[in-house]
Amino acid sequence: LAKTTQPISMDSYEGQEVNITCSHNNIATNDYITWYQQFPSQGPRFIIQGYKTKVTNEVASLFIPADRKSSTLSLPRVSLSDTAVYYCLVVLYSSASKIIFGSGTRLSIRP
Amino acid sequence: SQTIHQWPATLVQPVGSPLSLECTVEGTSNPNLYWYRQAAGRGLQLLFYSVGIGQISSEVPQNLSASRPQDRQFILSSKKLLLSDSGFYLCAWSYQGRTDNSPLHFGNGTRLTVT
Repeated sequence: LAKTTQPISMDSYEGQEVNITCSHNNIATNDYITWYQQFPSQGPRFIIQGYKTKVTNEVASLFIPADRKSSTLSLPRVSLSDTAVYYCLVVLYSSASKIIFGSGTRLSIRP
Repeated sequence: SQTIHQWPATLVQPVGSPLSLECTVEGTSNPNLYWYRQAAGRGLQLLFYSVGIGQISSEVPQNLSASRPQDRQFILSSKKLLLSDSGFYLCAWSYQGRTDNSPLHFGNGTRLTVT
C-alpha cells in the first residue's frame, strides 16, 4: 500500500476554491487515487477517485499529473458545510485487503 | 442497493466489562469487511479486516477480537474493556474482485465511552 502525504490542516473562506495536494511517490501501476470526506461523528464518505489526468463530478475535481506521484483535490466555491477532514488513499480495492488511512487534512472554512 | 448497519450508535461501559459491536451488510455477497477505531481528533486506525467467513486479520489491538460468523456479519468483541478502548468504532465494507475499483463504504459508527 503506497504511503501518502498531505497537509495536516488548511483554512479557507466561503466561496473560494480549495486545492488539497497529496503526495504518493510509491504509487503502484494498478493503484487508484481515492479521496474521502469525513464529518465529525460520521464515517468517511467517498467523494472522488481517479487513475490519471482529470476527473470531475458534482462535488469535486481530481487532478493527476502524468507521473501519478501526486494528486490534487479541488473543491470549487466552498461553503461552511465543506468543513471536514479529507483523506487521500492510493489503493486497488479489489486486491487489497488491508486499507490504511493516513491522518488526513482538516479543512476549516470560515464565513 | 447495498447498505451497512452498525449498532449500537452509542455505548457507555464500565472498565472491565465485555463488549460486542455488530455490523451487517445487505445487498452484496462475500464483501471485504473492516473495523476501524478513531480516537478523538485523530485519524482512523485499522483494527481488523476479513476477506471471508472465519478469516480475520488483526492489525493492532491486544484486548479486542473480531469474528465473522456469517458472510455479511462482522462482530467486534472484548472480554474486559480498558479506558483506552474509548473511541469511535467504524465498520466498513468493499467489494472483492471487481474491476471498477469500488471504494470503501462506512457505517455510521459506534461511539464507545469506557468509564
